[in-house]
Amino acid sequence: DSGVTQTPKHLITATGQRVTLRCSPRSGDLSVYWYQQSLDQGLQFLIQYYNGEERAKGNILERFSAQQFPDLHSELNLSSLELGDSALYFCASSISGTGGEQYFGPGTRLTVT
Amino acid sequence: EDQVTQSPEALRLQEGESSSLNCSYTVSGLRGLFWYRQDPGKGPEFLFTLYSAGEEKEKERLKATLTKKESFLHITAPKPEDSATYLCAGEGYSTLTFGKGTMLLVSP
Repeated sequence: DSGVTQTPKHLITATGQRVTLRCSPRSGDLSVYWYQQSLDQGLQFLIQYYNGEERAKGNILERFSAQQFPDLHSELNLSSLELGDSALYFCASSISGTGGEQYFGPGTRLTVT
Repeated sequence: EDQVTQSPEALRLQEGESSSLNCSYTVSGLRGLFWYRQDPGKGPEFLFTLYSAGEEKEKERLKATLTKKESFLHITAPKPEDSATYLCAGEGYSTLTFGKGTMLLVSP
């Protein structure tokens, strides 16, 4: 158990809909990272927050957004969902603002039908 | 653009048959090279960090090494429980770039 929690575990929704994924980092970690993992693309970095501020952006679509709250939990919002958004979404946390050693949550499996 | 390439894509070994996984990287301003293990349907689990060429790290049957262009994950006398996908990642100026992984299957 990494200490990172993610909810929900599974999510099935229709195209065009909007969903919110939630992540609670390990106690004491200030950085939260979001990743998307699909079979053909591997693990793709989406966005990083450090102590409430956006720190780095990767291959995140404009339809996706995220935030980190004062209690350090984070939410990833996915809107206007397409079939291609079906994937595993992982949250990871680390103590510092640089990549370093990251601890991953169990993931949310999103299926768009 | 930072790139991390892992080979082979898949590897099948007999229990006790040692081998190595390769990770080639082109990462600007490399700050560190990381190895993770991922079991099916689970999040990656951190294994090692390597910072400079020549560095080696060991954990049980795994040893990671680093050169200026590549990293290797050596698996000595593997057991079936070592079966997993092994991911390599390079940290550059901004964040981690992951390779697509090597899926290792160890048969008894």
